Amino acid sequence: NAGVTQTPKFQVLKTGQSMTLQCAQDMNHNSMYWYRQDPGMGLRLIYYSASEGTTDKGEVPNGYNVSRLNKREFSLRLESAAPSQTSVYFCASSVRDLTQYFGPGTRLTVL
Amino acid sequence: KNEVEQSPQNLTAQEGEFITINCSYSVGISALHWLQQHPGGGIVSLFMLSSGKKKHGRLIATINIQEKHSSLHITASHPRDSAVYICAVYNTDKLIFGTGTRLQVFP
Repeated sequence: NAGVTQTPKFQVLKTGQSMTLQCAQDMNHNSMYWYRQDPGMGLRLIYYSASEGTTDKGEVPNGYNVSRLNKREFSLRLESAAPSQTSVYFCASSVRDLTQYFGPGTRLTVL
Repeated sequence: KNEVEQSPQNLTAQEGEFITINCSYSVGISALHWLQQHPGGGIVSLFMLSSGKKKHGRLIATINIQEKHSSLHITASHPRDSAVYICAVYNTDKLIFGTGTRLQVFP
């Protein structure tokens, strides 16, 4: 089992460009999450999906959209990147409110 | 005030020392996570607990629900324990994270 995989690992964008971060899990988990991690702050929830076909906003959803493509895949899209979105992005999955398993992260820089 | 507070923010220890990291929270929770983040960035779940105490190797986690407090202990610390330790609580099916405790263990 690969667990939770994320692509890409690194990305540099210019302000205004768009991109999609991909996340997939092979553990048959219902719940999937997108977080961002910034220096001096705890991980913050951007969006989550409690099950296939449902998505909900987290603490910091502005500037992002998500798609739960199927049970395995949960993507995060930045339509018009801004420097404030420079961060490390983590995807995670779980069986409801049990242990969360994290992907390796995507380091995004917006110039 | 953050809903999840950790102390200390930074901790330096000599190999072999007993280490304690504290976590206090101000919201109702269904469970509490302790996570480890290594310098490479990957995040691994160490424990999830909702009462009492759990032990895994040299790591021990305790929680006091009445006092809204949890501790992570590392016995016989080793340089490979150097990492950021993160406390997170489950509140309404979502995790709320502390800002982490950076631990460095020197030989």
